[in-house]
Amino acid sequence: EAQVTQNPRYLITVTGKKLTVTCSQNMNHEYMSWYRQDPGLGLRQIYYSMNVEVTDKGDVPEGYKVSRKEKRNFPLILESPSPNQTSLYFCASSLGGGLYGYTFGSGTRLTVV
Amino acid sequence: ELKVEQNPLFLSMQEGKNYTIYCNYSTTSDRLYWYRQDPGKSLESLFVLLSNGAVKQEGRLMASLDTKARLSTLHITAAVHDLSATYFCAVDMSGYALNFGKGTSLLVTP
Repeated sequence: EAQVTQNPRYLITVTGKKLTVTCSQNMNHEYMSWYRQDPGLGLRQIYYSMNVEVTDKGDVPEGYKVSRKEKRNFPLILESPSPNQTSLYFCASSLGGGLYGYTFGSGTRLTVV
Repeated sequence: ELKVEQNPLFLSMQEGKNYTIYCNYSTTSDRLYWYRQDPGKSLESLFVLLSNGAVKQEGRLMASLDTKARLSTLHITAAVHDLSATYFCAVDMSGYALNFGKGTSLLVTP
């Protein structure tokens, strides 16, 4: 089944403890991206990647890192999480610059205390 | 900066009624997407609209795109309870970034 898989689905962590949220797609998509969803602020892009080893900042990149060493994986790294990074995170992928739409993962609900 | 505005933000409608959700955006684009989100769930792709005048239909939902007016509509026909969800439009100007509207929270009541 074609899908974008995120792990974990839920995560509660403490301020400053490094964490990684994984994202993997099995559709051979060049493009991958991370979004966060917050009440009242909607969905905002964090980082995106056009292909392996090519990444760039979205609208809200502060406090996040990404890497794209393989085409299928695009992990989101929080080196020192803070409570304002408590959010619902989505990974997305697409083929052909969105001409065929974007597929979203099931989401990761992160709470930083 | 691209702005995407949806209205209404909240919609309560009776089963069997028709209604339209509007999505206006501020900068020229010919790529617009509609998504559905159930509470705590992921975004499900409903429609991909890629040209002026595009119209797509799936079941009780029909979406259209007018790039000259910078307007997309999502029309609901004869609503049923299963359509209760939040609906988002998103505009893609660049091929690598979706700009989302705030979403329309739809509740269909008997």
